[in-house]
Amino acid sequence: AQSVTQLDSQVPVFEEAPVELRCNYSSSVSVYLFWYVQYPNQGLQLLLKYLSGSTLVESINGFEAEFNKSQTSFHLRKPSVHISDTAEYFCAVTTTPQLTFGKGTLLTVNP
Amino acid sequence: DTGVSQNPRHKITKRGQNVTFRCDPISEHNRLYWYRQTLGQGPEFLTYFQNEAQLEKSRLLSDRFSAERPKGSFSTLEIQRTEQGDSAMYLCASSKSDSSFITGLAPSEQFFGPGTRLTVL
Repeated sequence: AQSVTQLDSQVPVFEEAPVELRCNYSSSVSVYLFWYVQYPNQGLQLLLKYLSGSTLVESINGFEAEFNKSQTSFHLRKPSVHISDTAEYFCAVTTTPQLTFGKGTLLTVNP
Repeated sequence: DTGVSQNPRHKITKRGQNVTFRCDPISEHNRLYWYRQTLGQGPEFLTYFQNEAQLEKSRLLSDRFSAERPKGSFSTLEIQRTEQGDSAMYLCASSKSDSSFITGLAPSEQFFGPGTRLTVL
């Protein structure tokens, strides 16, 4: 069985500040890891994924996440956030076709 | 628009009634998934299809729930004798099968629809 823990349910930050959204997973086998984002009144969108290779993965809008096998973590970071980054972020893990999601972290970026 | 579509977007029903939701996946995707998301929780897997075959069902999928995917195209999720605990957002996603990936093992990206919000009064 696998599980995902997102340590913060809400993260408020000011615009242009750095942010880290934490994600830890539990699995008895090797996993694939994902971050999805859900903007208000929209569906889930894939932000970035770790499948293999380099442990640091990046998205097109400045987010990055680092896979740390020893810490069983896949934290999401951005050095400078924008108002438009306000959304709910979900970490997910899979070893089988279906995804197992964490409970989500609501990122609120304030001016 | 070539994304995943779901209908209706919102459904309000009385306890005990039956409801049916529809999902239209991206046309070239042969896998289709159903998830349920309740307030304050992440999406939880319900079931998935490879073409028309239902390959896996979660323990969350009680006997009152049934899903179909005739001809491997659109899918329907029916809930019979709805209960207030069924109130949730029902999400549909689709993907290519993993064998289409170059690596042969890595999972294909799942594309999600906007969801159907069910409220049971």
